[in-house]
Amino acid sequence: DGGITQSPKYLFRKEGQNVTLSCEQNLNHDAMYWYRQDPGQGLRLIYYSQIVNDFQKGDIAEGYSVSREKKESFPLTVTSAQKNPTAFYLCASSNPQGGSYEQYFGPGTRLTVT
Amino acid sequence: GIQVEQSPPDLILQEGANSTLRCNFSDSVNNLQWFHQNPWGQLINLFYIPSGTKQNGRLSATTVATERYSLLYISSSQTTDSGVYFCAVAQGLTGANNLFFGTGTRLTVIP
Repeated sequence: DGGITQSPKYLFRKEGQNVTLSCEQNLNHDAMYWYRQDPGQGLRLIYYSQIVNDFQKGDIAEGYSVSREKKESFPLTVTSAQKNPTAFYLCASSNPQGGSYEQYFGPGTRLTVT
Repeated sequence: GIQVEQSPPDLILQEGANSTLRCNFSDSVNNLQWFHQNPWGQLINLFYIPSGTKQNGRLSATTVATERYSLLYISSSQTTDSGVYFCAVAQGLTGANNLFFGTGTRLTVIP
């Protein structure tokens, strides 16, 4: 089955700790994205990557970092510099090289920092 | 970025009723998607519809790009239709296509 997996589903951390969220896709998509969702809100873009070893900041990149060493993987690190890290994080991918801008989303990771 | 407004913010329907959800956006776009977010948070793709009309079972969508709005129609609603419906748009012409989301319409279908 092709799709996007995110792990873990729930994550709890103490304030001041860095934490890395996993995102893997086997859709052979070139582009990958990280979004953040706060309660009652739409999603906002954190980072995106068009190809391996390249990524760009989105609207709310402060306090986050990413890497794109493999086409199928795009991990997100929430650093201690992120002021309000508690949120629902969703990863997505798309295949613009294949002629489609449609984005597909993973199931998300709920991060709680206390 | 593009501003996306969805209406109504909340909608309560009796099972079997029809509804129309609206999405207005502030600039020209080359990507418009409708999603249904289920109670577990999963975003389910409903339509990829930068222009024109599409239908999928009881759901259909129309985007009038020149007037910067899109409509999602739900007919004969069922309790499983409950959840939050998001409209998202993007402008990018090449490469990654970053989506801007509205704040959603929360639909509750009661039996």
